[in-house]
Amino acid sequence: QSVLTQPPSVSGAPGQRVTISCTGSSSNIGAGYDVHWYQQLPGTAPKLLIYGNSNRPSGVPDRFSGSKSGTSASLAITGLQAEDEADYYCQSYDSSLSGWGVFGGGTKLTVL
Amino acid sequence: QVQLVESGGGLVKPGGSLRLSCAASGFTFSDYYMSWIRQAPGKGLEWVSYISSSGSTIYYADSVKGRFTISRDNAKNSLYLQMNSLRAEDTAVYYCARGYSPHDYWGQGTLVTVSS
Repeated sequence: QSVLTQPPSVSGAPGQRVTISCTGSSSNIGAGYDVHWYQQLPGTAPKLLIYGNSNRPSGVPDRFSGSKSGTSASLAITGLQAEDEADYYCQSYDSSLSGWGVFGGGTKLTVL
Repeated sequence: QVQLVESGGGLVKPGGSLRLSCAASGFTFSDYYMSWIRQAPGKGLEWVSYISSSGSTIYYADSVKGRFTISRDNAKNSLYLQMNSLRAEDTAVYYCARGYSPHDYWGQGTLVTVSS
């Protein structure tokens, strides 16, 4: 049970817009810690998609965007494409944990 | 280009040990923090450990503290994870990744299976 909660699955038709939420608390997202997002295509390693809440690494299409408000963050994907079908994970830091990083449980995006 | 290549995974009995390696290339290894992250079969990502660029700062997840040891050799551009007292729940693909937050490059992973 992660301290960052994501919906297990979301779906959308090609061309549509979908959002994936990442809900935390006052000890992580709500404390102002950055949220990062990763995309994991089937059978591959995760890839950094969004860093620092809303920044895209070079090469990531602008169809992907991130935002943060209060104790939650969101990943939005517009103009959905078949190749976007993947697992998506949010990540942040939690001050209540003795370790360091914490990932959300992951969200499976299905393109209908 | 940045490359991270893990090795050392395999099948090990409960209570056994294994040492994972990660060979880095395409960037100045000694300038970067490095991390290990694992993913149990069919499950999500779990952060395991990170080490600072000099090796002076190290953090572990509670689930591996006291059993796993992260280290690095900047002269060899390599990251290591010594895993002792392995348990069935340590079965996972282990990824090395550059940085500690965020992880901007990942290796392809190495599978560790703990089973009798």
